[in-house]
Amino acid sequence: DTEVTQTPKHLVMGMTNKKSLKCEQHMGHRAMYWYKQKAKKPPELMFVYSYEKLSINESVPSRFSPECPNSSLLNLHLHALQPEDSALYLCASSPSGGRSRRGLGEQYFGPGTRLTVT
Amino acid sequence: AQSVTQLGSHVSVSEGALVLLRCNYSSSVPPYLFWYVQYPNQGLQLLLKYTSAATLVKGINGFEAEFKKSETSFHLTKPSAHMSDAAEYFCAVSQRSWGKLQFGAGTQVVVTP
Repeated sequence: DTEVTQTPKHLVMGMTNKKSLKCEQHMGHRAMYWYKQKAKKPPELMFVYSYEKLSINESVPSRFSPECPNSSLLNLHLHALQPEDSALYLCASSPSGGRSRRGLGEQYFGPGTRLTVT
Repeated sequence: AQSVTQLGSHVSVSEGALVLLRCNYSSSVPPYLFWYVQYPNQGLQLLLKYTSAATLVKGINGFEAEFKKSETSFHLTKPSAHMSDAAEYFCAVSQRSWGKLQFGAGTQVVVTP
């Protein structure tokens, strides 16, 4: 099973709202990722967690706050977003997290959350 | 920094014809190489991944890719296009077994009857 699940599928929020995106995988993967994808563009990396610790932050604005409560869950907390933050947010996981050589670098993506900021 | 170039942002093929999507990477060391497909309003699905065991890699849905170190290329092919192949295709590379995936700009494939 190579399934990554994300909830919700769609989210509409105002600029003063606080919301969270959730991601879950039960494949025993050691690294988890958040990507942002605008229409007609490739995904852009936001954050990487390796063994539940934040390893990479691609200079993402603080209005996006990631959290990794355990090895299977990844959250993205949203606060005071701007309309330009509207996008498809993708979660991914990979077998290797750096301490092992599991896998060949492949990442498995969830279906995404379509976020609209009004 | 490594980069990935996909030639052609749009490719139109007839049903039953060969599909060829080009990908070139810039790296002095063969990186980890992948092709992903994205259908409208969906996430990315892994089509295939390069392993050093063979230069010709077979993936899902009848796709395959050939690694050519001398040309720093990893082109994707399918002998006979099907209507269900209409999607966006991304080539991606990584320099290690985890971490940042560098994506190409993507190629939109349209299949005509």
